Amino acid sequence: DVKVTQSSRYLVKRTGEKVFLECVQDMDHENMFWYRQDPGLGLRLIYFSYDVKMKEKGDIPEGYSVSREKKERFSLILESASTNQTSMYLCASNVGIYMTPLHFGNGTRLTVT
Amino acid sequence: ELKVEQNPLFLSMQEGKNYTIYCNYSTTSDRLYWYRQDPGKSLESLFVLLSNGAVKQEGRLMASLDTKARLSTLHITAAVHDLSATYFCAVEKGGSEKLVFGKGMKLTVNP
Repeated sequence: DVKVTQSSRYLVKRTGEKVFLECVQDMDHENMFWYRQDPGLGLRLIYFSYDVKMKEKGDIPEGYSVSREKKERFSLILESASTNQTSMYLCASNVGIYMTPLHFGNGTRLTVT
Repeated sequence: ELKVEQNPLFLSMQEGKNYTIYCNYSTTSDRLYWYRQDPGKSLESLFVLLSNGAVKQEGRLMASLDTKARLSTLHITAAVHDLSATYFCAVEKGGSEKLVFGKGMKLTVNP
């Protein structure tokens, strides 16, 4: 079974801190994604990566950046955390061809105070 | 801009009953996905619908896709409590491998 592992289940950070969310997948998937999930808004794509060192902006990239130095690892970076970035963050991956569903990690619930 | 709408957003139903939920989307796409999320858990894939007229069934759930109407349905047959969860549909954006998700439908099945 595909495993997508997010390093933290819960995080509490202060406004202005730099925050790193880490995600690792073990199935050699080409594509990796970061979503945030908010009540009443569903999932919104922040960034995705289709190869090492490659990235594309999603629908809500402002305030975020990403890093993919190795195929299995995709990091989401909040350069200066703000309270409106309090959310559930979901990492996902899939094989780099059409028609394959996303495999999601368990999520990181981030609270920025 | 691709928009995905689910209807209804909340559904409370009795065990044993049938119901259909809807997912509409605003621009042409041939690929639609259904996911399930249990409380406090992540999303798991239920169905992948790849062409007009596609129908997939698993247990008490059946999903279909009408690309001309830009509509997918998820039909629940003889609901059981274990189906209680939030169901998301997601549509692929112009062959880009980016998915746009609906807001999710929270289903509660009462004994």
